[in-house]
Amino acid sequence: AQKVTQAQTEISVVEKEDVTLDCVYETRDTTYYLFWYKQPPSGELVFLIRRNSFDEQNEISGRYSWNFQKSTSSFNFTITASQVVDSAVYFCALSEAGGTGANNLFFGTGTRLTVIP
Amino acid sequence: ETGVTQSPTHLIKTRGQQVTLRCSSQSGHNTVSWYQQALGQGPQFIFQYYREEENGRGNFPPRFSGLQFPNYSSELNVNALELDDSALYLCASSSSTRRHTNYGYTFGSGTRLTVV
Repeated sequence: AQKVTQAQTEISVVEKEDVTLDCVYETRDTTYYLFWYKQPPSGELVFLIRRNSFDEQNEISGRYSWNFQKSTSSFNFTITASQVVDSAVYFCALSEAGGTGANNLFFGTGTRLTVIP
Repeated sequence: ETGVTQSPTHLIKTRGQQVTLRCSSQSGHNTVSWYQQALGQGPQFIFQYYREEENGRGNFPPRFSGLQFPNYSSELNVNALELDDSALYLCASSSSTRRHTNYGYTFGSGTRLTVV
């Protein structure tokens, strides 16, 4: 069975601080995808990144970076020099690519990030 | 290129009533997935429609049903509403084949349903 755990329910940081959001996942599939989404107060889920299970390279995109470690089943997300506009709920999600069907997303419970000016 | 549009944005219904939520897919997308997001929780998969047929379903009872139309827009219908159905309902579109999703999901802003 698949599972995504985001142990941090809420995090508050002061603007310009770095912050890391943790994500731990469980799956029996050898082929899967991991995602991070941002959900601002308006409600829509904004796609941030997708990684497949065969690509453990870490990635940096501007102030965002991701650390994927299969050995610990973790896919952590770091925001460098946080800004007030980063305040949102962040979701980690897993999709198993094996078999037929929807390949739907399994989401964690989210981490609410508040950046204090 | 338009995104995913959902209507209405907010809705209040009484327990036992029926509700229909609507979703217009992003241009070029042929697959629609619906998710339910209870307050303080992550979205949960309800079902997916690919080319007007259901292509997978989560752990939701049959009173949750859907349709996809030839233009790939979609409806989510919920019968016999219960208080626990109060949630944000999100629609996501993508471009897929039956066996492969390209994972380029685009989400709408959702419909917030309150059941009283």
